[in-house]
This record gives sequence, C-alpha cells and structure tokens, in this order.
Amino acid sequence: AQSVAQPEDQVNVAEGNPLTVKCTYSVSGNPYLFWYVQYPNRGLQFLLKYITGDNLVKGSYGFEAEFNKSQTSFHLKKPSALVSDSALYFCAVRAGGSARQLTFGSGTQLTVLP
Amino acid sequence: KAGVTQTPRYLIKTRGQQVTLSCSPISGHRSVSWYQQTPGQGLQFLFEYFSETQRNKGNFPGRFSGRQFSNSRSEMNVSTLELGDSALYLCASSLELAASYEQYFGPGTRLTVT
Repeated sequence: AQSVAQPEDQVNVAEGNPLTVKCTYSVSGNPYLFWYVQYPNRGLQFLLKYITGDNLVKGSYGFEAEFNKSQTSFHLKKPSALVSDSALYFCAVRAGGSARQLTFGSGTQLTVLP
Repeated sequence: KAGVTQTPRYLIKTRGQQVTLSCSPISGHRSVSWYQQTPGQGLQFLFEYFSETQRNKGNFPGRFSGRQFSNSRSEMNVSTLELGDSALYLCASSLELAASYEQYFGPGTRLTVT
C-alpha cells in the first residue's frame, strides 16, 4: 500500500524567511509525487510534481521541492515566504501505472507571520 | 480555458435521502476523480473514471457510486445519507489516466446531512 506522511500539522514562519514543509512517502516502485495548496473554501491547486529526472523541481509561485530517494522525502520549499502563502498544503503520491490512486497526506497548515 | 466546475456548491440533505453531485472537467480532460474531504479523515479517494469506465475505487461503501458520460462529465451519487457523509466533495480532472498527469480540482460541493 502507498502512503504519505506530513509530520507537521502546523508550520509558522516569518515573512521573508525561507519555508519548508515536510513530506515523506512509501510506495512500491517509482513514485510520482505532487504538491497541492488549498485556500479556505476552495479546491486544491496544483503546485508542482516530480516524475523523473532532476531531483529539484520548480513550480508555481516560487515554490520548489527536492526529491530524495534514499530518504523517501519530497519537501516543499520557498526561499522567501509571503503572507499570501498562508494556506493548507498537501503532499500526494501515486505509483506508476494507471491502476493506482492518488494518495494524499494529512496536510500542513502554513502560517506566514507579517 | 475554464477550470473544473462542480454543482451545486452547497447542499443540505436529511438522513436517509439521496444526493447527486455533478462535475464538468476541464475541456479535453478525459479522467475524472472524486474525493471526500473531512476534518477528521482528510482527503480520501472515492473513485476515478476514464472513458466512461470506473478504473479505480477507494474504500467506501456501495452507497457511494458514480458514472462518467461520453463528454467526460461525471456525477456521483450517495444513497441513504448518513450524518457522517457530511463533507466537502471534490472533483478533479486530468488529461489522461496515466499516473504522471497532475489533477486539477474543482471548488467542491459542501454537503451537510442533518
């Protein structure tokens, strides 16, 4: 079975500081990894994905994520946080092949303090 | 290009009733997935449709069902509603069924069962 762990329910960071939202995964075979963000009363918005290739993936709104196969991690990062980045962030994994569902982590609430 | 649309946005139903939710995917997207989001259980996968066929199914009782039409639009139905079915139901579409394709989410339907 595949699973995703987001060990921190809440992350607080000061505006202008770098931010990291952690994610580890478990899946059979090669993983396809995704980050989504959810603002209040909205659906999820796609930020970035790792399929193969370069371990550092760049996405929307200045976010990036680093894939680490040995640590089975896919942490989301941003060099300089904005107050508008405050939202709920979800990591998700899907094993290769069409017969596997997308599995989400429990989410991390990011608060950027002005 | 228009995003994923879901109707209705809000619903209030009584225990024992049934409900049908509708989802229109992004134009050209052929895969549609449904998720249930609750504060306690997080994001849980319901099912995924492609070419009018259910390709994946999550661990939900048979009261939850869905279908996809030839134009890729999808509906999900919940019969004999229970209080625990109160949740945000999210629909997501992707270009193809393959695991590497990201999903794009609609705003959700907020279902309240009283």
